[in-house]
Amino acid sequence: GAVVSQHPSWVICKSGTSVKIECRSLDFQATTMFWYRQFPKQSLMLMATSNEGSKATYEQGVEKDKFLINHASLTLSTLTVTSAHPEDSSFYICSSGGDTSTDNEQFFGPGTRLTVL
Amino acid sequence: DAKTTQPPSMDCAEGRAANLPCNHSTISGNEYVYWYRQIHSQGPQYIIHGLKNNETNEMASLIITEDRKSSTLILPHATLRDTAVYYCIASNTDKLIFGTGTRLQVFP
Repeated sequence: GAVVSQHPSWVICKSGTSVKIECRSLDFQATTMFWYRQFPKQSLMLMATSNEGSKATYEQGVEKDKFLINHASLTLSTLTVTSAHPEDSSFYICSSGGDTSTDNEQFFGPGTRLTVL
Repeated sequence: DAKTTQPPSMDCAEGRAANLPCNHSTISGNEYVYWYRQIHSQGPQYIIHGLKNNETNEMASLIITEDRKSSTLILPHATLRDTAVYYCIASNTDKLIFGTGTRLQVFP
């Protein structure tokens, strides 16, 4: 299957700072990537759809000015959490379908754990 | 996406088959049934998917009822490493909406 990586795997930052998380497709080109957020003991919540070369599509209730998504190339999407606060502490996961996937199978990255102090 | 309902938790003895049920009574004709699992603090892992027919791969088998209103994921010989949260998703797009899943605990 296709391989998706994320960087960093974990990050700790001070309240008010911005944090950038990278999602890379290592062996395929991804025109679409998805970003999820997961709080402890909860399920994954879809935040937005990242589209290469165009604006991201955000799910209802997700602030687009707080969670900036850039998908400037076919192998990289970035999520920037701006002015992070403790309530933004979460596990952020990206996914992509891969160029050989069938029937919309998704490949997920390993996740990035963000802790805001 | 059609709503899916899964039991919150299940136990299974190591070496035995784990049968994880999923209800998707409002599934539409072009929605696939996908199964993913998430081991603690990792990204979800694709297991299997199907539309109407039963499916089998190296990881599991998927049994879909004839009316497509429910399905069962079967792990034929569960191991301790199969302990995870298993998610059943009905979808006809590449956008996956996760429910609460079933926490499967495999014990020795």
